[in-house]
Amino acid sequence: EAGVTQSPRYAVLQEGQAVSFWCDPISGHDTLYWYQQPRDQGPQLLVYFRDEAVIDNSQLPSDRFSAVRPKGTNSTLKIQSAKQGDTATYLCASSFWTNEQYFGPGTRLTVL
Amino acid sequence: GDSVTQTEGQVALSEEDFLTIHCNYSASGYPTLFWYVQYPGEGPQLLFRASRDKEKGSSRGFEATYDKGTTSFHLRKASVQESDSAVYYCALSDRTNAYKVIFGKGTHLHVLP
Repeated sequence: EAGVTQSPRYAVLQEGQAVSFWCDPISGHDTLYWYQQPRDQGPQLLVYFRDEAVIDNSQLPSDRFSAVRPKGTNSTLKIQSAKQGDTATYLCASSFWTNEQYFGPGTRLTVL
Repeated sequence: GDSVTQTEGQVALSEEDFLTIHCNYSASGYPTLFWYVQYPGEGPQLLFRASRDKEKGSSRGFEATYDKGTTSFHLRKASVQESDSAVYYCALSDRTNAYKVIFGKGTHLHVLP
């Protein structure tokens, strides 16, 4: 069974640039999560979906961050006008009918 | 809100030493408690979880017991190996929103050969 895949693995931007992260969850998993993990900290939930519906996006900085999962499978997280404080690893995870989450390897973002 | 506290930021041990990483939580009711492990360049992997008072979770020689009385879920291993070097996260999910998992800050374990 293929795991959660994410791309790109690394991204380096100047402040003000936009970036998108892509996630392909484990096949059949209905729930998909995006986390932000600053260096030397634990993952912090940004948003999660069940199928194509957003269930909780209360921690998503809505003015610059957006996330979609249009067909209930793959998902994209986008940052408009990145800031240095956005430097972190962005993790995607998926689960099926439980809170046992399977994580992808993450995208390491550096904003200069 | 709910939270998880890991008191050790870094732990350095020699091979075959006994490991304890402390985890205390703050939440109402009986949240599900987890231990995750993260290796460099990878996402966290679930070690095990527990959902009831006195329930023991275990995997790969690691174990922890859910203690409602002391609100703790301490991770233990009798004899660590160099390959156990990683970051360990304690986490919880709330009973009212089971899919929302809150992670602690993590404990870096360094095992010297």
